[in-house]
Amino acid sequence: EPEVTQTPSHQVTQMGQEVILRCVPISNHLYFYWYRQILGQKVEFLVSFYNNEISEKSEIFDDQFSVERPDGSNFTLKIRSTKLEDSAMYFCASTGTGKYEQYFGPGTRLTVT
Amino acid sequence: QKEVEQNSGPLSVPEGAIASLNCTYSDRGSQSFFWYRQYSGKSPELIMFIYSNGDKEDGRFTAQLNKASQYVSLLIRDSQPSDSATYLCAASSARQLTFGSGTQLTVLP
Repeated sequence: EPEVTQTPSHQVTQMGQEVILRCVPISNHLYFYWYRQILGQKVEFLVSFYNNEISEKSEIFDDQFSVERPDGSNFTLKIRSTKLEDSAMYFCASTGTGKYEQYFGPGTRLTVT
Repeated sequence: QKEVEQNSGPLSVPEGAIASLNCTYSDRGSQSFFWYRQYSGKSPELIMFIYSNGDKEDGRFTAQLNKASQYVSLLIRDSQPSDSATYLCAASSARQLTFGSGTQLTVLP
């Protein structure tokens, strides 16, 4: 069964550094998303992406964040200058055409020190 | 502000019993509703989705939606210890999921 994959599984970085989190959505899915979950808190929407552009973004997704689909398979989330409060699990999700169900990847645990 | 509210639990049921999980949402524009299961340290796993008022059954799971009351529920029949997890309710508007804080379910052998 096709799955969303994410790399790395765990990323440790120093405050102020740039990080790129990578996702490979399910093949032939066209809608892509990033969510985050701070330890012990709710899953929060960051951004949705369709047809090579951002469809929706939340207040969390400020100028420090960007997304890109650099090729036909990868979908990336970049955080330009990480802060301590960016420490969280980051989940990528994707949805097929004509569907609304979002399938999540295993997540990347980001630790900012 | 879009909100999804769930009883945080914990909810404990004996093996073989029915577990009932409830959720309310604030945004009347929400069109699609989802139940995810999340094991500790893992990602949300989609187990049910419902778009229309009424019931939807899939195996041991039944989702119920009442848009007038802005209420969604999940019933798990014949609960198993492997069902022990946190269950997340989510409402979708413009393909953006708003999650509740989850209900922690423990199924006792």
